[in-house]
Amino acid sequence: DAKTTQPTSMDCAEGRAANLPCNHSTISGNEYVYWYRQIHSQGPQYIIHGLKNNETNEMASLIITEDRKSSTLILPHATLRDTAVYYCIVRVGGSQGNLIFGKGTKLSVKP
Amino acid sequence: GAVVSQHPSRVICKSGTSVKIECRSLDFQATTMFWYRQFPKQSLMLMATSNEGSKATYEQGVEKDKFLINHASLTLSTLTVTSAHPEDSSFYICSATEAGTTNEKLFFGSGTQLSVL
Repeated sequence: DAKTTQPTSMDCAEGRAANLPCNHSTISGNEYVYWYRQIHSQGPQYIIHGLKNNETNEMASLIITEDRKSSTLILPHATLRDTAVYYCIVRVGGSQGNLIFGKGTKLSVKP
Repeated sequence: GAVVSQHPSRVICKSGTSVKIECRSLDFQATTMFWYRQFPKQSLMLMATSNEGSKATYEQGVEKDKFLINHASLTLSTLTVTSAHPEDSSFYICSATEAGTTNEKLFFGSGTQLSVL
C-alpha cells in the first residue's frame, strides 16, 4: 500500500504558485519522498525528491517538515501545461526500491 | 538526462494472441526495472520487479505465467502478455533506476496502450 495521502484534486490560477500537500506519517528515517506527475496517457515524469532537507530544482521546490511526516510540492508559477496528476511517493527498499503509487492529486491550472 | 524507451506505444491485438513490450534504458545500465499497469482513471499498480539475469519478482495477484518478464541485459527488459484477453487491455509502463546509484530518480517509459479485441 502507498504510504502517502494527498487531496484528490486542486485548482490553481495560471501564474500563481501551486502548493500540493502530502502526508506520509509512517515514513521511515531512510526513506526518500519523491514527486512525479502524469499527463494523460503518458509515463510519469520525475519532478523532485528529498530526504529531510528542502530541495529546489528548475521545476519545483520540495518542503519537508522537520518531523518528515508531511511535505509540500511548490510549483512557483503554474502554467496550463502543469495540469496533471501529481503523485507523492515514499520510496521503500532503498536505492533500488520500487515506487508504490497512491491516487495522487489532480491539479487543474485555470486561465 | 537518462531516458527509458518503451515500444510499442500502442498495440491492438486479437484475443488469444501474445504481445511483447520492450523497455530499454538508452544511456544507462539498469540492473532493476519495474513494470506497472494502469487502468483508466486509476493509479499505477506495480506488477513485477525485473532483475537482470534472474527471475522476476511478481506482486501478489499478478500471474507470472501470463505476464512473462525477461531481463536479459542491463539495458533491456521485456514484458510478454501471453494469450491476451480483453480484460488485459490496459496501459503498461516500465521504469528503471541506474545501476550503482543511491536513491536517484526512477525513470519511466512513455507507456504502451494495449487493446485486446
